[in-house]
Amino acid sequence: DVKVTQSSRYLVKRTGEKVFLECVQDMDHENMFWYRQDPGLGLRLIYFSYDVKMKEKGDIPEGYSVSREKKERFSLILESASTNQTSMYLCASSLTGANTEAFFGQGTRLTVV
Amino acid sequence: AQRVTQPEKLLSVFKGAPVELKCNYSYSGSPELFWYVQYSRQRLQLLLRHISRESIKGFTADLNKGETSFHLKKPFAQEEDSAMYYCALRSYNQGGKLIFGQGTELSVKP
Repeated sequence: DVKVTQSSRYLVKRTGEKVFLECVQDMDHENMFWYRQDPGLGLRLIYFSYDVKMKEKGDIPEGYSVSREKKERFSLILESASTNQTSMYLCASSLTGANTEAFFGQGTRLTVV
Repeated sequence: AQRVTQPEKLLSVFKGAPVELKCNYSYSGSPELFWYVQYSRQRLQLLLRHISRESIKGFTADLNKGETSFHLKKPFAQEEDSAMYYCALRSYNQGGKLIFGQGTELSVKP
């Protein structure tokens, strides 16, 4: 059974804190993605990575950074959390190649107070 | 820029009625298009992909390159179809990004 696991289901952080969201996949996938999911806005891509130590900005990278030191792990970092980063964060992974399926984690509900 | 648009935030139908969830895209090239579904309290998961041309859970979607659309259809909706549906496009022009639309919530009433 394929697995994408996000380290936390719920997080509450204070404004200005540095926040780490972790994602691990056990499928040996090359690609990994971080999205935020907001009602009415759908899934917006923050960053994605197509290989270890490689990353590409998505549509809303401001205020975020990422790290991929190992193939199975992709971390999203909020350098200084703000209230407008309160959201549901979804991690996904996929193989490289045409028409490949993306597998999603269960999501992390982050609240910044 | 590559973009996916789902014009309806909410679609409410009665059981047994036909359903069509709209998806339009902008992409310069041959698109790879998908429909993903998220049932209540479950993970987002793939429903179908345009290349497969298959019917999944009674749903089909046809790629219309002329109208740049990939609408999702089902002839007879069931209550268990109630969920959030997202249309997605893989953009190789942008290094393999997987881009999603805004989502449509389908509510099937008894």
